[in-house]
Amino acid sequence: SQQGEEDPQALSIQEGENATMNCSYKTSINNLQWYRQNSGRGLVHLILIRSNEREKHSGRLRVTLDTSKKSSSLLITASRAADTASYFCATWDNYGQNFVFGPGTRLSVLP
Amino acid sequence: GAGVSQSPRYKVAKRGQDVALRCDPISGHVSLFWYQQALGQGPEFLTYFQNEAQLDKSGLPSDRFFAERPEGSVSTLKIQRTQQEDSAVYLCASSQNRLQGSAKNIQYFGAGTRLSVL
Repeated sequence: SQQGEEDPQALSIQEGENATMNCSYKTSINNLQWYRQNSGRGLVHLILIRSNEREKHSGRLRVTLDTSKKSSSLLITASRAADTASYFCATWDNYGQNFVFGPGTRLSVLP
Repeated sequence: GAGVSQSPRYKVAKRGQDVALRCDPISGHVSLFWYQQALGQGPEFLTYFQNEAQLDKSGLPSDRFFAERPEGSVSTLKIQRTQQEDSAVYLCASSQNRLQGSAKNIQYFGAGTRLSVL
């Protein structure tokens, strides 16, 4: 079963625009992570945000976490064609045993 | 090696055939995970190893699935009597440890093995 759910399922934007993806989860978490997956490739870790953090930045990435709403958002600023990929949020379940991914958002950045 | 390596990259099997998928984790990584990813979906947890110990196999879909990591390094996921519904990408990931709240639990993924069962 998947704990996280991302929306939108698919997003298409023009190069240079910002892309925002949202993730919701169901149980208490210690941290939430975002991963990127290019077509036919493995997942690449982007950023980790702990439950006591509200916002975190890494380059063109900005992640927010609202534990009261059990939701997180990933913002990619000034998008590039190379950002085209699927983006997944993931959390440990509340037993701390299973690492659970959402279904992902497929981002297409058009040149 | 520099990253997680999986082999083969692609595997075509006839229904009923047994297959073995290999994962070479990053050297020194204690934790190793296997995931199954269906087309257009997020990865689904299959099983987890800490060193050679398989601590969690709750995600394995049936007793036809078996995983091992006998020396705490390389791992093999075996699927017996493959069925069409087993067709998916099988991802392996490793991490330094799995302590929550630690950046050391960041998982590093291999490129996956795409299994097609005909």
